[in-house]
Amino acid sequence: GAVVSQHPSWVICKSGTSVKIECRSLDFQATTMFWYRQFPKQSLMLMATSNEGSKATYEQGVEKDKFLINHASLTLSTLTVTSAHPEDSSFYICSARIDGGAGNEQFFGPGTRLTVL
Amino acid sequence: AQSVAQPEDQVNVAEGNPLTVKCTYSVSGNPYLFWYVQYPNRGLQFLLKYITGDNLVKGSYGFEAEFNKSQTSFHLKKPSALVSDSALYFCAVHRYSTLTFGKGTMLLVSP
Repeated sequence: GAVVSQHPSWVICKSGTSVKIECRSLDFQATTMFWYRQFPKQSLMLMATSNEGSKATYEQGVEKDKFLINHASLTLSTLTVTSAHPEDSSFYICSARIDGGAGNEQFFGPGTRLTVL
Repeated sequence: AQSVAQPEDQVNVAEGNPLTVKCTYSVSGNPYLFWYVQYPNRGLQFLLKYITGDNLVKGSYGFEAEFNKSQTSFHLKKPSALVSDSALYFCAVHRYSTLTFGKGTMLLVSP
């Protein structure tokens, strides 16, 4: 149980285009999901906390107009990278927290590799 | 603010030998502590967690970790390393609805 999926697993796009990444909790409901960004050989950096039915909470330094987050249902959150540029190339990982779960454990998706040409 | 330190960028160990990956934390109050493993181009896989209770926590794939409050440490251990354990390991602390990760330690197990 507690499986989180991401789609696509990798994407290559041209500079200036927008890319949408989906994060789904497959067998549990998640009011809260998280989006992380990971650069090569570095740790995960929290970008934003996605809350179903309300606006996402962005970490300091993350542009909310560039990284649009929509938590449309209790099992789906999407991250849209708008007007992508090469510096947005990175590994994006989402996680979800089980509603009512103990210990606030987060379950992570497999990640999405974004390459902007 | 909470923080996690993993002092080693890389740990090398021979297969069959015990391994330790170090982690220290800084947080106010009682922490929730986690270890995750990441294989290349993959997301994080949960290994184990400490919430409360016994200081020695046993997790997946034969890993265990010991919570030491006085030293604010939560080192990851395994009695006998496998080549397949080679991966990137992250320690994390959860507090105030936020999960803060250490920078990660690459574990390389040689045959």
